[in-house]
Amino acid sequence: GESVGLHLPTLSVQEGDNSIINCAYSNSASDYFIWYKQESGKGPQFIIDIRSNMDKRQGQRVTVLLNKTVKHLSLQIAATQPGDSAVYFCAEKRGGGSNYKLTFGKGTLLTVNP
Amino acid sequence: DGGITQSPKYLFRKEGQNVTLSCEQNLNHDAMYWYRQDPGQGLRLIYYSHIVNDFQKGDIAEGYSVSREKKESFPLTVTSAQKNPTAFYLCASSPQGGVSNQPQHFGDGTRLSIL
Repeated sequence: GESVGLHLPTLSVQEGDNSIINCAYSNSASDYFIWYKQESGKGPQFIIDIRSNMDKRQGQRVTVLLNKTVKHLSLQIAATQPGDSAVYFCAEKRGGGSNYKLTFGKGTLLTVNP
Repeated sequence: DGGITQSPKYLFRKEGQNVTLSCEQNLNHDAMYWYRQDPGQGLRLIYYSHIVNDFQKGDIAEGYSVSREKKESFPLTVTSAQKNPTAFYLCASSPQGGVSNQPQHFGDGTRLSIL
């Protein structure tokens, strides 16, 4: 079936290292992808998004890469900080118009060690 | 500050009781959404509304009901028909429902537990 999933459920890094969180999707018709960060007891916070006509987009300390050939999405966090510790979700947009909705992966727990 | 407010933060329900979760946004967004999150799981869509007085079922609508009488409000009722209501409920909104690619913005959730 169609799904959005993550390769690694947990990731532990040292403070200052770069982090890479991966996401696989199976719906080749999805045209928009979003990364969210969720801290414990809070709602997901938007980090960065990318449209399917792009393969890379950069934000502040974050970069999202999209490889449509293998249906793979990644989030790179530069110089990871303790405040980056959270669960990270990817989401894909399926459908349009009244059928528009986001489908979320299960998430990756990122732990940053001081 | 503009944002999405969910209340209460914690809610307890007795067996056979209906409860209503509040979601209010002052972002002037057209679209609003309700998700359910279980431990170690992603978000699952319950209901969504792209415009006032209209809403659609999501993937897990059974045992839930919603209304959208005002643009800024999208309350979710968890009915007694929902046999496993214990979860973290998240409300989200976006500027337009499906016209363009825009992220959804989330509230801080309501945690519902069964007594």
